[in-house]
Amino acid sequence: EDQVTQSPEALRLQEGESSSLNCSYTVSGLRGLFWYRQDPGKGPEFLFTLYSAGEEKEKERLKATLTKKESFLHITAPKPEDSATYLCAVLKSGDNTDKLIFGTGTRLQVFP
Amino acid sequence: EPEVTQTPSHQVTQMGQEVILRCVPISNHLYFYWYRQILGQKVEFLVSFYNNEISEKSEIFDDQFSVERPDGSNFTLKIRSTKLEDSAMYFCATSYDRSYEQYFGPGTRLTVT
Repeated sequence: EDQVTQSPEALRLQEGESSSLNCSYTVSGLRGLFWYRQDPGKGPEFLFTLYSAGEEKEKERLKATLTKKESFLHITAPKPEDSATYLCAVLKSGDNTDKLIFGTGTRLQVFP
Repeated sequence: EPEVTQTPSHQVTQMGQEVILRCVPISNHLYFYWYRQILGQKVEFLVSFYNNEISEKSEIFDDQFSVERPDGSNFTLKIRSTKLEDSAMYFCATSYDRSYEQYFGPGTRLTVT
């Protein structure tokens, strides 16, 4: 069965305290892995796409990496505005289209 | 920056009523999706739509659900006879190609009473 697991479920950081979020997956027909940010009551906001093991992407204080079984989202020197739920989603191939299988997310709170 | 829009932002309906949720995709995108998120749970795939027909649907997407692109711009999700368990956030997403990033709209919060 296809599964995407994120850890930890919740993370509290002091401003400037770097950390990493984990996403592990067992999905057949993997085409890629996406990271999204979701604020309360809003839609997921696209952050990164990773397609192959060893790939890395960076954006401001965020860096995403991918191995064959997991992905990490590294947050360097976070600020309070980085507080959100971070969602990992695996792109699974289908006959005609691909669909996203989401994890439950990591709820990040950054305190000043 | 182009974005996906959805209307209404919040819909309250009584059990058994029909609802239509609307989405305006990013203009040059060809693949359209509906996902839903029950409060406190993960985002779940419902259906994908390409070339004016359903490409794939999940087990959740039963005969009560339908999608269409009636006028070449809007993309709609219809629930024919709503149930209490249909209460959720419904997100429209679009992508340029099947393996490209999917961009999500702000969602419609559906409350069935």
